[in-house]
Amino acid sequence: GQQLNQSPQSMFIQEGEDVSMNCTSSSIFNTWLWYKQEPGEGPVLLIALYKAGELTSNGRLTAQFGITRKDSFLNISASIPSDVGIYFCAGTQLENGGATNKLIFGTGTLLAVQP
Amino acid sequence: NAGVMQNPRHLVRRRGQEARLRCSPMKGHSHVYWYRQLPEEGLKFMVYLQKENIIDESGMPKERFSAEFPKEGPSILRIQQVVRGDSAAYFCASSPRQGRSGYTFGSGTRLTVV
Repeated sequence: GQQLNQSPQSMFIQEGEDVSMNCTSSSIFNTWLWYKQEPGEGPVLLIALYKAGELTSNGRLTAQFGITRKDSFLNISASIPSDVGIYFCAGTQLENGGATNKLIFGTGTLLAVQP
Repeated sequence: NAGVMQNPRHLVRRRGQEARLRCSPMKGHSHVYWYRQLPEEGLKFMVYLQKENIIDESGMPKERFSAEFPKEGPSILRIQQVVRGDSAAYFCASSPRQGRSGYTFGSGTRLTVV
């Protein structure tokens, strides 16, 4: 099945640094979501984007729904040790002319933050 | 992940046995989704159910896998005659209605087939 291309695959940064990761697709998505997953747990929703061009913030996190509807980015400012985890983008596409709730996930970005 | 309850958290089965994974959605949610995650991969959609109905099972393997969401009780993902390749984390999510995709995931069931 289709999977979103997410980059970078991993990041090792110092506490306080800003982080940027992105997700791209060869086809159009009508919803973009960003999740964080910690070891042994399920993904936790960070930000949901529903309109092309939409820019949304959640505390130190900012995400944008690309104008072409084929990409999205997530920025984390002033990283802290508890930001450690795997970040996944996910999205939905129209099927048979209608919206679907079926999420297609990216390959994940592993973030490690050194105090 | 508060609200979507999955059990058991860990399940070990021998090859050929059956695995039953349970998911109780958040209160008031009537839409349930099952995803599978292989080690070091993203989640892959399996099936989408509403009460007593399978809406989309396009991600379900054709054989040995089935899912249900009865009028009363939790949603069940059943895997018959498990094989080593079924070892994975299985996540359930729920939402109150269709249309908004930012739904809530449970903590998952980690199935190990020995």
